[in-house]
Amino acid sequence: DTAVSQTPKYLVTQMGNDKSIKCEQNLGHDTMYWYKQDSKKFLKIMFSYNNKELIINETVPNRFSPKSPDKAHLNLHINSLELGDSAVYFCASSQTGTEYEKLFFGSGTQLSVL
Amino acid sequence: AQTVTQSQPEMSVQEAETVTLSCTYDTSESDYYLFWYKQPPSRQMILVIRQEAYKQQNATENRFSVNFQKAAKSFSLKISDSQLGDAAMYFCAYRSRAGNMLTFGGGTRLMVKP
Repeated sequence: DTAVSQTPKYLVTQMGNDKSIKCEQNLGHDTMYWYKQDSKKFLKIMFSYNNKELIINETVPNRFSPKSPDKAHLNLHINSLELGDSAVYFCASSQTGTEYEKLFFGSGTQLSVL
Repeated sequence: AQTVTQSQPEMSVQEAETVTLSCTYDTSESDYYLFWYKQPPSRQMILVIRQEAYKQQNATENRFSVNFQKAAKSFSLKISDSQLGDAAMYFCAYRSRAGNMLTFGGGTRLMVKP
């Protein structure tokens, strides 16, 4: 069973559309994240979320919003997509208090905005 | 804010030889973790090795070892007996012990020649 799963793996859409990427973890972790990897392979944190707190990287546009229906899911909703949003988006999870709080990554969602 | 720098965009190594990937970081904290992640063409992020800042002994995982120089804020990765399967992007990453988000370097693409 996949520990952190994301859907879809590929997403092609037009500028101006609204889209969501789903993430689920079956590890019982209390913290989930979204990372963005741009075309130059640079990886950057977007959000960190647990059942107490949402931490937002201040560089993330407010068109991006994480939505967590429950502890095992953290979906990423993007409004009014722009060309610059094209990237690979990674979901990840970890458990607070464990040794070095190892991060488990999903396999990524490649978003292409046309 | 912490920054992580990988000064080598690309490196190549002959199969069975040894290669060292460089990483430097900037922080005012004294307690933190450092990581090396591997990203093969499959896109999956794979943890290669980690180092706790309070440990003076360099971490080792099979053919992978690090040279951690805390005063110099340097954290290089040595891959011994390189294999074709080692070809990938390698990312150095920093995490504060008190925080839960990773800060990544820009990555080094490693090519392994047969």
